[in-house]
Amino acid sequence: SQTIHQWPATLVQPVGSPLSLECTVEGTSNPNLYWYRQAAGRGLQLLFYSVGIGQISSEVPQNLSASRPQDRQFILSSKKLLLSDSGFYLCAWAQSDYEQYFGPGTRLTVT
Amino acid sequence: AQSVTQLDSHVSVSEGTPVLLRCNYSSSYSPSLFWYVQHPNKGLQLLLKYTSAATLVKGINGFEAEFKKSETSFHLTKPSAHMSDAAEYFCVVRGINDYKLSFGAGTTVTVRA
Repeated sequence: SQTIHQWPATLVQPVGSPLSLECTVEGTSNPNLYWYRQAAGRGLQLLFYSVGIGQISSEVPQNLSASRPQDRQFILSSKKLLLSDSGFYLCAWAQSDYEQYFGPGTRLTVT
Repeated sequence: AQSVTQLDSHVSVSEGTPVLLRCNYSSSYSPSLFWYVQHPNKGLQLLLKYTSAATLVKGINGFEAEFKKSETSFHLTKPSAHMSDAAEYFCVVRGINDYKLSFGAGTTVTVRA
């Protein structure tokens, strides 16, 4: 069966510090991968998606970036965090255009 | 472009009574529709999906939803609420050949003992 992992589970970082969140998927190959952000009291916002290694589509201009160095690994990064980057970050995978399955999420607090 | 509107931001029910969460969709094509549930500080879990097969879709934990094209609705129901159903629920739509999902704003369900 397929599983999706995210780490860390929680993170507290000062403004201006770098960020790296990791997402890995097991039990499937060539999945579509997605990064979402869920700010307090708001819905889900799609940040990035990837249909293959090295292929990244950005949905919202911001100081975040994403990379897919391996087939089942998706990384969300920032060089300098802003207060507004605080939120709950969710990674998801899907096989082609079928339903998406979500990871457990990372709670990021920027202080 | 496709979108969904969840008609209630908050629903409160007593344990053992029915739950109804309303969702209307807008899509130029025959859509794929989903309901997800999110418990506090957890990821989203797929409850059920509609992909142009039977219009009445049964999901996990006793939930079901009915696709009504004439009303452009995809309401989620459960005959008897349980305390563990307290969570946030998202109605989601995806168009044909689209990798992306469009999420509703969410409905928070509270279950009273």
